[in-house]
Amino acid sequence: GIQVEQSPPDLILQEGANSTLRCNFSDSVNNLQWFHQNPWGQLINLFYIPSGTKQNGRLSATTVATERYSLLYISSSQTTDSGVYFCAVVASGTYKYIFGTGTRLKVLA
Amino acid sequence: GAVVSQHPSWVICKSGTSVKIECRSLDFQATTMFWYRQFPKQSLMLMATSNEGSKATYEQGVEKDKFLINHASLTLSTLTVTSAHPEDSSFYICSAAVVAYGYTFGSGTRLTVV
Repeated sequence: GIQVEQSPPDLILQEGANSTLRCNFSDSVNNLQWFHQNPWGQLINLFYIPSGTKQNGRLSATTVATERYSLLYISSSQTTDSGVYFCAVVASGTYKYIFGTGTRLKVLA
Repeated sequence: GAVVSQHPSWVICKSGTSVKIECRSLDFQATTMFWYRQFPKQSLMLMATSNEGSKATYEQGVEKDKFLINHASLTLSTLTVTSAHPEDSSFYICSAAVVAYGYTFGSGTRLTVV
């Protein structure tokens, strides 16, 4: 099955810093989403981005499907950005979302 | 829009009892729903796919007799953990696909078996 690896696994930032999170996948995909899981476990949908670039406030994402990766950019990080970030993909020919390994982000005040 | 409501948010049960978790799509019809399980500090693992009006499809290694899934209507899917044991303690979360939106997730259920 498809493998979804995220890097870095852990990240500590000072408030105000920028960061880039990466999601590599081993096969072609139809769908890709980025999620933020808050401390209570809830998954917040950040981007539905099977290809191209999107921006929402301080966050933006880019997926280069042909090269099998996606990037999530966080600018001017805030303590509320802390949590775990997951990418999830649907491999071509399937319908199931497979989650990546996650990046655990901690933003320090 | 595209809201999935999951209940309960947390539950504590005694070993050997059964627990039912409900997942409802509030403003859309969900022909297919997915159930995930997450252990502490790990990623989400797909357990099964539930299809309205038919039997669920379980991922390899998931005990279908322990994790009973029912999808009796287009807006409701349930997961019943039967004869729960401490090793079943986990975070369970459901999701549904929404056209042009991707997947939307319930808020999750934290199950603790004592």
